[in-house]
Amino acid sequence: DAGVIQSPRHEVTEMGQEVTLRCKPISGHNSLFWYRQTMMRGLELLIYFNNNVPIDDSGMPEDRFSAKMPNASFSTLKIQPSEPRDSAVYFCASSLGQTETQYFGPGTRLLVL
Amino acid sequence: AQKVTQAQTEISVVEKEDVTLDCVYETRDTTYYLFWYKQPPSGELVFLIRRNSFDEQNEISGRYSWNFQKSTSSFNFTITASQVVDSAVYFCALVSGYSTLTFGKGTMLLVSP
Repeated sequence: DAGVIQSPRHEVTEMGQEVTLRCKPISGHNSLFWYRQTMMRGLELLIYFNNNVPIDDSGMPEDRFSAKMPNASFSTLKIQPSEPRDSAVYFCASSLGQTETQYFGPGTRLLVL
Repeated sequence: AQKVTQAQTEISVVEKEDVTLDCVYETRDTTYYLFWYKQPPSGELVFLIRRNSFDEQNEISGRYSWNFQKSTSSFNFTITASQVVDSAVYFCALVSGYSTLTFGKGTMLLVSP
């Protein structure tokens, strides 16, 4: 069974450009989470969806960040415009419920120049 | 509010030594779940174990063992006869029905030959 799939695995872009990160959760999982990992702040939850509905987006840094989940098998995290401080590893995770085990994708390593 | 503290930032051991990674948590909820994840140098986050707050039985899986003590709010992780492949950052995490997954800052384990 395939795990969580993320694309791209690496992204290098210039400040001001739009960046779109993609995630396909494990089939059957109804909870999806986006995290950001940096050396300074560790692992931070950005947003959490349950049954495709955003439940908690309090971790989204600012209006430049947006996330969607149009169906149970796909989610996007968009940054527009991107800034150098957005450079981080972005993880997507999915689970059978909020308190169930979260399985993480391989992450997208984003570098904004 | 929930909190997970991993006081050990970095631990260095020589192969075949036993090592214990500490995790102390804070929560006001009576039902909660504790996790350990491993992040090897390749960067992915690998699930190791999930325990619920009502099950204080220690668990052993091969060279790995976990000691859950509610009295001291601790969920420590021991690796017996460490190996170089155990070198990674290990994260302890906590979730309850009222809050999303909270990670500790991680402990970097370096096992040298």
